[in-house]
Amino acid sequence: ETGVTQTPRHLVMGMTNKKSLKCEQHLGHNAMYWYKQSAKKPLELMFVYSLEERVENNSVPSRFSPECPNSSHLFLHLHTLQPEDSALYLCASSQEGLIRWDSGDTQYFGPGTRLTVL
Amino acid sequence: AQSVAQPEDQVNVAEGNPLTVKCTYSVSGNPYLFWYVQYPNRGLQFLLKYITGDNLVKGSYGFEAEFNKSQPSVPLKKPSALVSDSALYFCAVSPQTGANNLFFGTGTRLTVIP
Repeated sequence: ETGVTQTPRHLVMGMTNKKSLKCEQHLGHNAMYWYKQSAKKPLELMFVYSLEERVENNSVPSRFSPECPNSSHLFLHLHTLQPEDSALYLCASSQEGLIRWDSGDTQYFGPGTRLTVL
Repeated sequence: AQSVAQPEDQVNVAEGNPLTVKCTYSVSGNPYLFWYVQYPNRGLQFLLKYITGDNLVKGSYGFEAEFNKSQPSVPLKKPSALVSDSALYFCAVSPQTGANNLFFGTGTRLTVIP
């Protein structure tokens, strides 16, 4: 295991529901990420948090609302989603928000939450 | 603009044969290239990192990558495939160190046939 856990692993929701995805990292990292993985498309970076501050928001619709209460936990709050939002949502963490790839830092991914919007 | 391409959606190889998974990229500067593997119901697992200037890079589970000047590309290779290597493989690129994201390819599904 990578030290990054995500709950729930599967979620089915209607378009009018409100739900939240949870991510927890046990690695002592300072940065956390949300990615969206859709079939046959590249992973899309959604949000980046570094030391609990949001440092990147890649034009994600407001129906996705992230929250980072501390450096170990990251949430993605969902409301009034669309069927095209169905995907695997991956959380990742790294030691720092600006990753020094040449020093050996990298991103560690959780197993993902498979979201289906009906 | 940065771009990463994995031209094959699916690669099939017989167990024991060498395998290659392709990835080409167009990134300015001296990028860092990564290979990740995703097993069913699991997150992405880091396999190896290629830094511009490297020749052959050895990674986890017997995988390796060698820079191909003509494309440019850094295909993922393994001399002898195992059935347990069957998974989804992603390449990703970061244009520089000190960045906070990776540009991913669309993934290649590798099936190793017993």
